[in-house]
Amino acid sequence: NAGVTQTPKFQVLKTGQSMTLQCAQDMNHNSMYWYRQDPGMGLRLIYYSASEGTTDKGEVPNGYNVSRLNKREFSLRLESAAPSQTSVYFCASSDGWVGTNEKLFFGSGTQLSVL
Amino acid sequence: AQSVAQPEDQVNVAEGNPLTVKCTYSVSGNPYLFWYVQYPNRGLQFLLKYITGDNLVKGSYGFEAEFNKSQTSFHLKKPSALVSDSALYFCAVRDPGAGANNLFFGTGTRLTVIP
Repeated sequence: NAGVTQTPKFQVLKTGQSMTLQCAQDMNHNSMYWYRQDPGMGLRLIYYSASEGTTDKGEVPNGYNVSRLNKREFSLRLESAAPSQTSVYFCASSDGWVGTNEKLFFGSGTQLSVL
Repeated sequence: AQSVAQPEDQVNVAEGNPLTVKCTYSVSGNPYLFWYVQYPNRGLQFLLKYITGDNLVKGSYGFEAEFNKSQTSFHLKKPSALVSDSALYFCAVRDPGAGANNLFFGTGTRLTVIP
């Protein structure tokens, strides 16, 4: 019963490097999300995907790109990492269409440091 | 614009005592309200939600929350705290009338239950 799986759990990058955070869910959920968590700021939505093949910007999309590869997988890419992107990143999924009263299921997070 | 505030960064309570974690919100219409809990090195877990109906909502692990429209609050409560309740608690709000596709999270309240 894996739920939402994120890889890697930890990553250290140098400024300007690129990387992709992977996320997969096995609950057959339609909607998937990427959040970042920063101290004193709660969680902020980066991108979301209401269904396979669609993606939309959230509150803080700058510096990120996403791909909804199929119904299970939703990846987050940093093309040129900056120190301001040091954060904990969470992937989440939900059963309902984004915008309804659905509850979110979260992965365990990726701790990213950009030096 | 929608927002949510958790006025206390830290709440300490003795084991067996009742606990309250406070949350106030601001939306233009009728809110959807949620509580999530985060244990160390884990993703957030859904506790409960208020959409409509009874103002007192019961959730997981013996938690409940009371929706108060006049005070725009949605405080989380538990009659008798356990040491295992120690965690980071997040309140979240969505304003469905605004067409928002996002949950806005508070900054979190760290609950410590003292044995």
